[in-house]
Amino acid sequence: DTAVSQTPKYLVTQMGNDKSIKCEQNLGHDTMYWYKQDSKKFLKIMFSYNNKELIINETVPNRFSPKSPDKAHLNLHINSLELGDSAVYFCASSQGVNSNQPQHFGDGTRLSIL
Amino acid sequence: AQSVTQPDIHITVSEGASLELRCNYSYGATPYLFWYVQSPGQGLQLLLKYFSGDTLVQGIKGFEAEFKRSQSSFNLRKPSVHWSDAAEYFCAVVGDSNYQLIWGAGTKLIIKP
Repeated sequence: DTAVSQTPKYLVTQMGNDKSIKCEQNLGHDTMYWYKQDSKKFLKIMFSYNNKELIINETVPNRFSPKSPDKAHLNLHINSLELGDSAVYFCASSQGVNSNQPQHFGDGTRLSIL
Repeated sequence: AQSVTQPDIHITVSEGASLELRCNYSYGATPYLFWYVQSPGQGLQLLLKYFSGDTLVQGIKGFEAEFKRSQSSFNLRKPSVHWSDAAEYFCAVVGDSNYQLIWGAGTKLIIKP
């Protein structure tokens, strides 16, 4: 009964390729997020969607494009992968955008660019 | 702008010893504060949260944290650590946008046998 699930868990690919990471949550939450965790473990928010609408879009290269087909899914597509994209990407969800709703995280996708 | 500081990059304690992980925040109003734990190769799990009321909050796995407004701190404590507590611990505060979390850099907890 995984609450927030991401696939794949590991992704190794070459520079210049296009790849997608999928995220699904079965918690009935309205809001989903993508975070990037760099090699120093620092977490940075990339995007957030509430009921399939984009509400947070931090300064992220436009090679990154989130897609939310429904409120239970938030996928991340990355075009023309670069070495600096190597990181762990976390998906999260919360019930609404109220500040007192904790975020629940997936196990992460470790992306390695060769 | 809001910020979260975890002064200790890593802390080593002996199994059975007590633990305190420090977290300081910068925020004008009453903050919403969280502690998360990240075990190796895993996602982040919520340990506890503070919104209002009692400044000492209890969390899962025997952890507690105390909100001290005068010190702008929200330190995490556990009276007796277990080897399974070895992980990275992150403190976070909700930012001005009201739903964006501002994260600390994390503290890695190492347990000595």
